[in-house]
Amino acid sequence: DAKTTQPPSMDCAEGRAANLPCNHSTISGNEYVYWYRQIHSQGPQYIIHGLKNNETNEMASLIITEDRKSSTLILPHATLRDTAVYYCIVRVFRMGNQFYFGTGTSLTVIP
Amino acid sequence: GAGVSQSPRYKVAKRGQDVALRCDPISGHVSLFWYQQALGQGPEFLTYFQNEAQLDKSGLPSDRFFAERPEGSVSTLKIQRTQQEDSAVYLCASSSGGYNEQFFGPGTRLTVL
Repeated sequence: DAKTTQPPSMDCAEGRAANLPCNHSTISGNEYVYWYRQIHSQGPQYIIHGLKNNETNEMASLIITEDRKSSTLILPHATLRDTAVYYCIVRVFRMGNQFYFGTGTSLTVIP
Repeated sequence: GAGVSQSPRYKVAKRGQDVALRCDPISGHVSLFWYQQALGQGPEFLTYFQNEAQLDKSGLPSDRFFAERPEGSVSTLKIQRTQQEDSAVYLCASSSGGYNEQFFGPGTRLTVL
């Protein structure tokens, strides 16, 4: 699975959009982009995933560049409860394929 | 409950003791994963089960680590002769298989003194 690069930390004002970038320049055609987050002392929580089209769900939006070498997770109206470590993972869609988490981005939402 | 549960939530062991960590996956989930998370790091894969079959154990750090899922539901991760470097949070995740996301439990925090 391809490697990802994320900034180690970011701040965001409460109520504003949080835009979390991820670089995955070696992604291959059959690898999906997943985002998980981990709130302190909890297990990772699935947020969203996509292949090449932009995706949106009740939690967030995922914007993938046309060349698929980078993506951005958007939390449209950040709240204090969104403070967490966010992991960007690229992964082949296959049963039994584990996730390689890396160290993620620590997002702090500021009141 | 509807989610993945793990027990105990916290475990303190003296160096050299054996420990057993339990995972109850979401009912009906075929796939079960164990991960190890050191302080300040992301989770790292240990092993994978599809039903009762352990299909991948490439992430187990030594032969002191053993996992089983005898009836294809509950899984146990056993660590023999614990060492200080085994101190970590052990996470279990389950998936309905195929192309679906993994659902994680809260983890067991193991501290080896």
